[in-house]
Amino acid sequence: AQSVTQLDSQVPVFEEAPVELRCNYSSSVSVYLFWYVQYPNQGLQLLLKYLSGSTLVKGINGFEAEFNKSQTSFHLRKPSVHISDTAEYFCAVSELYNFNKFYFGSGTKLNVKP
Amino acid sequence: SAVISQKPSRDICQRGTSLTIQCQVDSQVTMMFWYRQQPGQSLTLIATANQGSEATYESGFVIDKFPISRPNLTFSTLTVSNMSPEDSSIYLCSVGPPMTNEQFFGPGTRLTVL
Repeated sequence: AQSVTQLDSQVPVFEEAPVELRCNYSSSVSVYLFWYVQYPNQGLQLLLKYLSGSTLVKGINGFEAEFNKSQTSFHLRKPSVHISDTAEYFCAVSELYNFNKFYFGSGTKLNVKP
Repeated sequence: SAVISQKPSRDICQRGTSLTIQCQVDSQVTMMFWYRQQPGQSLTLIATANQGSEATYESGFVIDKFPISRPNLTFSTLTVSNMSPEDSSIYLCSVGPPMTNEQFFGPGTRLTVL
């Protein structure tokens, strides 16, 4: 079975500061990795995904994430956040051979302060 | 990509009643998925809905409580039956179009049971 752990339930940060949202996963098989963002009262939007190849993945809105297989991590980073980045961020995994089944972390609320 | 709409966007219901949530996709897809997001928690997969066959339910979810219909390749409904306050959640549908390696989510239905 797969599990996803997001270590921080809330992350407060000042505008223009860097941020890292942590995600670790546990799986007995190879997985795909995703970060989704959920703005208030909206659905989930894909930020970025790792399928294969380069371990550094760039997504929308200036976000990037690095896949570390040895540490089973997929941390999300942004060098300079904006007020508009305030949202909840979910890390998710799916199995390579059962792709449509997603497992989500508990989410991290990013609160960007002016 | 896929554009997904859900109806209703939110509802407040009385204990013991049932609510049917609709999910419409702008393209034909084989599988549609229903998730539940309880307050302050992550997304949990309820079931997978295939057109022309019975839905497949995840552990902890049963057809009597969450009957699902899938009459065609662009539409599905989820009914939350005999509701109790514990059913208060956001219910989301999603699709994973072939060759995209990702899931697209609807905006969600926010259900409050009194």
